Amino acid sequence: RKEVEQDPGPFNVPEGATVAFNCTYSNSASQSFFWYRQDCRKEPKLLMSVYSSGNEDGRFTAQLNRASQYISLLIRDSKLSDSATYLCAVNLHNTGKLIFGQGTTLQVKP
Amino acid sequence: DVKVTQSSRYLVKRTGEKVFLECVQDMDHENMFWYRQDPGLGLRLIYFSYDVKMKEKGDIPEGYSVSREKKERFSLILESASTNQTSMYLCASSLSGASTFGSGTRLTVV
Repeated sequence: RKEVEQDPGPFNVPEGATVAFNCTYSNSASQSFFWYRQDCRKEPKLLMSVYSSGNEDGRFTAQLNRASQYISLLIRDSKLSDSATYLCAVNLHNTGKLIFGQGTTLQVKP
Repeated sequence: DVKVTQSSRYLVKRTGEKVFLECVQDMDHENMFWYRQDPGLGLRLIYFSYDVKMKEKGDIPEGYSVSREKKERFSLILESASTNQTSMYLCASSLSGASTFGSGTRLTVV
């Protein structure tokens, strides 16, 4: 079993749709969690950290479920510019060493 | 903002050559990482370093070595490049949480 797993997609959604991605992790000792966005042929960029209480940044909401060992990312009112690959990352013991999921590809269509 | 700079955006090398990939960060981060990213395989950790002159193997260290002589610089070395090392190489740095990535080096070994 992979340490961090994501559905690779692609998720094809119309503009304005709400879309949600999940990411499961296997190690219950994982301390911190992140969502990254990666555009084609570019480096991953931090989208948001994921806090235990859940957090929101504009149209984006991240949640953590420690009991079931998954994190989620919800995107409301999808824009064409949201088309990208979304990577989840898990940090064991706050060492700074991140373990990444394979990424979920989102295509938002007009 | 943290800046992570990779010396080359694109490189083409011949099989058997010794290849150096350089990475410099400007925010005094303790931790530095080298990943490679391949379609369908996601980001895989090659080596990382928590301090000067310190290094630890990641998940796929075979065929690679690293050097960290100064805090801001972390070099990845391909001792004898092979075609299966054709990939996107990404350097990252962090304190203890989220990593910041460089823009990547796309290496082709012919």
